[in-house]
Amino acid sequence: DGGITQSPKYLFRKEGQNVTLSCEQNLNHDAMYWYRQDPGQGLRLIYYSQIVNDFQKGDIAEGYSVSREKKESFPLTVTSAQKNPTAFYLCASSFDRQETQYFGPGTRLLVL
Amino acid sequence: GENVEQHPSTLSVQEGDSAVIKCTYSDSASNYFPWYKQELGKRPQLIIDIRSNVGEKKDQRIAVTLNKTAKHFSLHITETQPEDSAVYFCAAGYNYGQNFVFGPGTRLSVLP
Repeated sequence: DGGITQSPKYLFRKEGQNVTLSCEQNLNHDAMYWYRQDPGQGLRLIYYSQIVNDFQKGDIAEGYSVSREKKESFPLTVTSAQKNPTAFYLCASSFDRQETQYFGPGTRLLVL
Repeated sequence: GENVEQHPSTLSVQEGDSAVIKCTYSDSASNYFPWYKQELGKRPQLIIDIRSNVGEKKDQRIAVTLNKTAKHFSLHITETQPEDSAVYFCAAGYNYGQNFVFGPGTRLSVLP
């Protein structure tokens, strides 16, 4: 999991602003995921991508968007439509059709 | 889709005692059951996993048992140490994406 990086570690969003969280991996993993974690709660799937140029909505995709232009990168944009974005965001990756996911260090998003 | 429940939500044990966390799942198609440990503010880290063709797996002080008929699996930690204090998440599913669901987590505190 040391091969998955997320930036920034902390991010502040102003009202009505779109912000983008970065996720990069050098593990040659095919699949990548974004999860949201709220205090004292589990992990909820936002989006996932099995291959380049393809991604699928998870359970809580509303107010978020992603792209997968490169195998190594899966950025997440939190749009102004997401009214309650304060959370800890975790990116993960895995080999295709293998379930073991490895997580990045996370980005904590706070609203000003 | 898959639904995963996890109990207890919090668990306190004395150092040296054993800890057991149980998860139940709903989808009989699930065949992969990992456990993750998350320390405060850090990324979840895989500690042990089991597949449906195996009933039990051990790794030093940690073991996982699986009962596919009853659709439950458990994490067992023996000889607990203060550094075992963390939140533990179970997960169940198959393949990837929305077929893979995390439990809500158990906060384990090991008291010296």
